[in-house]
Amino acid sequence: EVQLVESGGALVQPGGSLRLSCAASEFTVSANYMSWVRQAPGKGLEWVSIIYSGDKTSYADSMKGRFTISRDHSKNTLYLQMNSLRAEDTAVYYCARVYTGSLDAFDIWGQGTMVTVSS
Amino acid sequence: QSVLTQPPSVSAAPGQKVTISCSGISSNIGNNYVSWYQQLPGTAPKLLIYANDKRPSGIPDRFSGSRSGTSATLGITGLQTGDEADYYCGTWLSRAYVFGTGTKVTVL
Repeated sequence: EVQLVESGGALVQPGGSLRLSCAASEFTVSANYMSWVRQAPGKGLEWVSIIYSGDKTSYADSMKGRFTISRDHSKNTLYLQMNSLRAEDTAVYYCARVYTGSLDAFDIWGQGTMVTVSS
Repeated sequence: QSVLTQPPSVSAAPGQKVTISCSGISSNIGNNYVSWYQQLPGTAPKLLIYANDKRPSGIPDRFSGSRSGTSATLGITGLQTGDEADYYCGTWLSRAYVFGTGTKVTVL
């Protein structure tokens, strides 16, 4: 079954760091465009970052310089390194695959992992 | 704050039809495909519509999408209780993806 499974969510203090992982099954992470999307409690969806072919990356303005998206071909896993975390980064973080047919949508989503930034 | 505006909520009785609008600006909806997602309570989003009006395999034809100018619309016919969820539109704005503000569908 094609699926994504996130892990790494935790309670972290403001200013701290955390690395999220997203393991893929039945498809190759490095051969696809992959993204992270987050959702604060009770709020809407917010796009975080994308990694393209050639490992080019793009970020939402509020995450630039603090978050880093990457992937490991050998582990077939996507990552999100989050530094200088703030209370407003508290959210469920989803990884998602960009649909290869039109490159305009996210067709496979993980179940999400919760990140809580609080002292 | 999203640049894609959706109504906060829509409602209808079982079997009826609802439409959800997604209003944007020319630099996003006007020039790029729009997709739609369904998020059932406590679950991850699910792709309903891509490339404005195409359904992924397994999505029933009760769900339809369209785009005109700088707006897009999701339609749901034959409304079912299982359709109660939050719905989001989305599109690319330059090198960033933007989601709509979200619409809660209630089945009366």
